Amino acid sequence: TQLLEQSPQFLSIQEGENLTVYCNSSSVFSSLQWYRQEPGEGPVLLVTVVTGGEVKKLKRLTFQFGDARKDSSLHITAAQPGDTGLYLCAGGPSGGYNKLIFGAGTRLAVHP
Amino acid sequence: SAVISQKPSRDICQRGTSLTIQCQVDSQVTMMFWYRQQPGQSLTLIATANQGSEATYESGFVIDKFPISRPNLTFSTLTVSNMSPEDSSIYLCSVGGTGSWETQYFGPGTRLLVL
Repeated sequence: TQLLEQSPQFLSIQEGENLTVYCNSSSVFSSLQWYRQEPGEGPVLLVTVVTGGEVKKLKRLTFQFGDARKDSSLHITAAQPGDTGLYLCAGGPSGGYNKLIFGAGTRLAVHP
Repeated sequence: SAVISQKPSRDICQRGTSLTIQCQVDSQVTMMFWYRQQPGQSLTLIATANQGSEATYESGFVIDKFPISRPNLTFSTLTVSNMSPEDSSIYLCSVGGTGSWETQYFGPGTRLLVL
């Protein structure tokens, strides 16, 4: 069974600070997707990475897929209160079938 | 990306009753998925719904409890049967392609509270 370990589980920081969220596995994934979910809403896709070593940037957010496609990170620079939410990583298992495996989630609170 | 809607957005139900949740997509999609998200938790896949075939259920979920329909390529329903307070969760549908590299897009969810 493929698992994705996501850390930290909770993060409470001040506006302007930087942070990194990690997703790690012993298994190889075909893709890694990052979502943000706000209360009362469904997860909203932030990015999909599919190539080992890939780095994608979305404004202040930087996503990296590990060279071996077993891990990924999300780095937020100068966090703002609008970044508050639940961040979820989800891996597409290698082998072709589209059944996402979700990490436990990181609940981020950014205080003014 | 697809636009996905769910009905109802929320409901409060009595123990022992059933609720059917609808998921509508604005374009034809190959695969639709149903997830459960318990309070404060991540997402757990209930089943995969393909048009024209029986849904495929994950370990711990059975058809009698969560019957699913997929009558066409833009619509699916999930029924939560004989509900108990433990079924109180957010139920989410998502859509995607068949490949594991393909992105899934989620609906807004249905918040269910069982009393």
